[in-house]
Amino acid sequence: DAGVTQSPTHLIKTRGQQVTLRCSPISGHKSVSWYQQVLGQGPQFIFQYYEKEERGRGNFPDRFSARQFPNYSSELNVNALLLGDSALYLCASSLVYSAESYNEQFFGPGTRLTVL
Amino acid sequence: AQSVAQPEDQVNVAEGNPLTVKCTYSVSGNPYLFWYVQYPNRGLQFLLKYITGDNLVKGSYGFEAEFNKSQTSFHLKKPSALVSDSALYFCAVSLPTDSWGKLQFGAGTQVVVTP
Repeated sequence: DAGVTQSPTHLIKTRGQQVTLRCSPISGHKSVSWYQQVLGQGPQFIFQYYEKEERGRGNFPDRFSARQFPNYSSELNVNALLLGDSALYLCASSLVYSAESYNEQFFGPGTRLTVL
Repeated sequence: AQSVAQPEDQVNVAEGNPLTVKCTYSVSGNPYLFWYVQYPNRGLQFLLKYITGDNLVKGSYGFEAEFNKSQTSFHLKKPSALVSDSALYFCAVSLPTDSWGKLQFGAGTQVVVTP
């Protein structure tokens, strides 16, 4: 079975531009989370979506937004790019969203965004 | 505020020797704890988790970790390291009250295993 897929693999933008990153979860997974990993740091939680609704949001500015589609794929949008947005953006999927039971997250390979 | 600390930026070990990667946490409540590994140009791969129960958890590729509530630690161990274990290791924590998707990661520890 295919794992979590992300596109594009690499992306170069300039300051002030907008970018859209895409994520396809593992088949049957309904929850998608987004993380930002700046070089030399651990991943930072940005969003979680389940059944097309936002279920969690990290400490990121409103320039960051996301959505989930009926097929459970997801997009992360970043507006007005800053140099500090350069990072590896990771998507993770899990089977369901539940406060009562753990669902392992599976990570994609990430999208490397460079802002010049 | 919850936090995760990995006190060592890098751990060097000879192949065949025991490997330990340290992790301590600071959270309010009972945390769920995880270890992930990242190879160059790859996403994160899940190694193991502690949710409840036995403090010693066994995971993939011969790794294990011990949850120590009094010391708020969750150190990753492997009895005999392989060169292929060279990678970046992340400890992560989640609270049951949080979204399951919301993992908080440490800064990572680079493991270098020499032949």
